[in-house]
Amino acid sequence: DGGITQSPKYLFRKEGQNVTLSCEQNLNHDAMYWYRQDPGQGLRLIYYSQIVNDFQKGDIAEGYSVSREKKESFPLTVTSAQKNPTAFYLCASSIIAGTGPNTEAFFGQGTRLTVV
Amino acid sequence: GQNIDQPTEMTATEGAIVQINCTYQTSGFNGLFWYQQHAGEAPTFLSYNVLDGLEEKGRFSSFLSRSKGYSYLLLKELQMKDSASYLCAVRDGGGYQKVTFGIGTKLQVIP
Repeated sequence: DGGITQSPKYLFRKEGQNVTLSCEQNLNHDAMYWYRQDPGQGLRLIYYSQIVNDFQKGDIAEGYSVSREKKESFPLTVTSAQKNPTAFYLCASSIIAGTGPNTEAFFGQGTRLTVV
Repeated sequence: GQNIDQPTEMTATEGAIVQINCTYQTSGFNGLFWYQQHAGEAPTFLSYNVLDGLEEKGRFSSFLSRSKGYSYLLLKELQMKDSASYLCAVRDGGGYQKVTFGIGTKLQVIP
């Protein structure tokens, strides 16, 4: 079955440690995204990528880093520079198209990161 | 950039119809999406509009007016399982086709 997989579902880290969240998709999508969701807030874009070895900062990229070495994979590293890392992190992917249908994003099940 | 507004919370009765509005201001426009998100879960796709008018899909319909920067999601014959957050998202017209989400409308369906 095609889909997008995030792991782990729950992650605990000590303050000051870097942590990497995994995101893998087998949908053959070119575009991949990382969002952060906090209680009472919408999804905020951290980084996005439309092609291997290229990515763009979203609205809240500070304290985060990404890589896109393979089309299927878009890992997110939460660094110690991120002031409030505790959140629900969602990875998504989509095809790249003009204005056609079937261009919606497919989301992974999310990783809930807690920094103590 | 994008600015998307939608109500924070709504309550509706089982079996009724509810309309969730979304207004947006964008520097470019290349489509509007509606997603449903149950608490603690991933958003799931509901509908997509890029041209003006109404798109119907079963109990769910979505409307778009590009000139007014306005969309709504209409849910008919409400069921208890429709209690969820409904997210409006706009894709811009730039080369990277960035998608920006609204804060989401938390809908509570009551008996």
